[in-house]
Amino acid sequence: EAGVAQSPRYKIIEKRQSVAFWCNPISGHATLYWYQQILGQGPKLLIQFQNNGVVDDSQLPKDRFSAERLKGVDSTLKIQPAKLEDSAVYLCASSSPDPRVTLYEQYFGPGTRLTVT
Amino acid sequence: DAKTTQPTSMDCAEGRAANLPCNHSTISGNEYVYWYRQIHSQGPQYIIHGLKNNETNEMASLIITEDRKSSTLILPHATLRDTAVYYCIVKRVNYGGSQGNLIFGKGTKLSVKP
Repeated sequence: EAGVAQSPRYKIIEKRQSVAFWCNPISGHATLYWYQQILGQGPKLLIQFQNNGVVDDSQLPKDRFSAERLKGVDSTLKIQPAKLEDSAVYLCASSSPDPRVTLYEQYFGPGTRLTVT
Repeated sequence: DAKTTQPTSMDCAEGRAANLPCNHSTISGNEYVYWYRQIHSQGPQYIIHGLKNNETNEMASLIITEDRKSSTLILPHATLRDTAVYYCIVKRVNYGGSQGNLIFGKGTKLSVKP
């Protein structure tokens, strides 16, 4: 089974520029998550989708971050404008809605490493 | 969701068992213990989970104390490729309902040495 795909793998931008990350979850996984991982820390959840609806975006800085999952499959996370403190790895994960399968185990993509200069 | 406490780092000799402890003294009845690991430059990878019974799979064993306040992840024969950060997480699971989120701490950095 193909894993969670993310692109690009690396991105360098200047502060105040905008950037977008793309995620394609595992086929059939209705739940999709975006995490931010700052160097030396564990991942922090930014937003969770169930199909194309938002379940939890309480930790998403909505003044500059936005995310969408229009058709309930692929998702895009955008930052506009970027700040120096947004330098991090952005991880996408997905999980099956059927708890009999894996009790909501999450599968993570390789991440996108963002550097803001 | 409950918090967990893990040692910052541990070393293990290649071929020996790696025993990674985790304290979760405020765990609730409907919270499971999950273990994930993150190898350098990769996303986290699920290892194992349990509620109250000991669990074993092809990767590891999970031993949960009877009072559920602590657990130990055991890698029976550690290899160099097991060098990673290991995260212990407690997460609420409601079948068919809202789920708790994975809240990652800083984990334990396990270094497997030749």
